[in-house]
Amino acid sequence: EDQVTQSPEALRLQEGESSSLNCSYTVSGLRGLFWYRQDPGKGPEFLFTLYSAGEEKEKERLKATLTKKESFLHITAPKPEDSATYLCALDQGGSEKLVFGKGTKLTVNP
Amino acid sequence: NAGVMQNPRHLVRRRGQEARLRCSPMKGHSHVYWYRQLPEEGLKFMVYLQKENIIDESGMPKERFSAEFPKEGPSILRIQQVVRGDSAAYFCASSPQAGYTEAFFGQGTRLTVV
Repeated sequence: EDQVTQSPEALRLQEGESSSLNCSYTVSGLRGLFWYRQDPGKGPEFLFTLYSAGEEKEKERLKATLTKKESFLHITAPKPEDSATYLCALDQGGSEKLVFGKGTKLTVNP
Repeated sequence: NAGVMQNPRHLVRRRGQEARLRCSPMKGHSHVYWYRQLPEEGLKFMVYLQKENIIDESGMPKERFSAEFPKEGPSILRIQQVVRGDSAAYFCASSPQAGYTEAFFGQGTRLTVV
C-alpha cells in the first residue's frame, strides 16, 4: 500500500495561473515532510521541510502547508521556469529513509 | 563548497557486467544515502551508510548489490552481473548528521543495461 500519494500526476498551467499540488500520506509517527523540485536529468533539489500540522513555509512563489493527512504546495503566479517535477517525501520516525511519492510534473506555459 | 558529486553521470553496461557508481559527499558530510529511481516510479531508498559502516541496507536487493563508504574516498554502489531491470537513475545524498534536514542530493548516475 502506497504511503505517499501525489496528485495530480501532471499539471499544465498558464503563466500567472495559480494552483496547488497535493501530497496525501497515511503513515503515523511523521518526523518530517519534505518537498523537492526535480528538473529533467537532475537530482532532487530541496525546497521545504514541514514538521507539524499547521506549519507553513514560503519561498518566492511557493508555499507549503501541512495537515495531519496531507500537504499542499501552492504555486502563486507561476512562471515557465517553475516547470519541473515536484516530489513529496516522508521521514518516518525510527528509520533513516525517505519515502517518496511519484511526483507531480508541472508545466507552465508562457 | 562543491556539492555532492556522482560519477559517472551516464553508464552503459552489457548484461552480466559489473557497474560501479561513485558518490563523493559534500565536505564535512559523513552520512550517505543511496536511492534508485526507476522510470515512471518514485525514488526508492536503497542503503544508508556512515564512514566504514552500513547502517541500514533494507532497501538493497539481496543479491548482486553492495555498497561501501570507506574511511577515505567516495561511497561506492556496486552492481554485479547487471540485468536490464537494473536500468535506472541512481542518486546519492549526503548529510553532516543523521537525517535529511541538511542533506543534499547529487545529480545521479543513469545506468543503462543493454
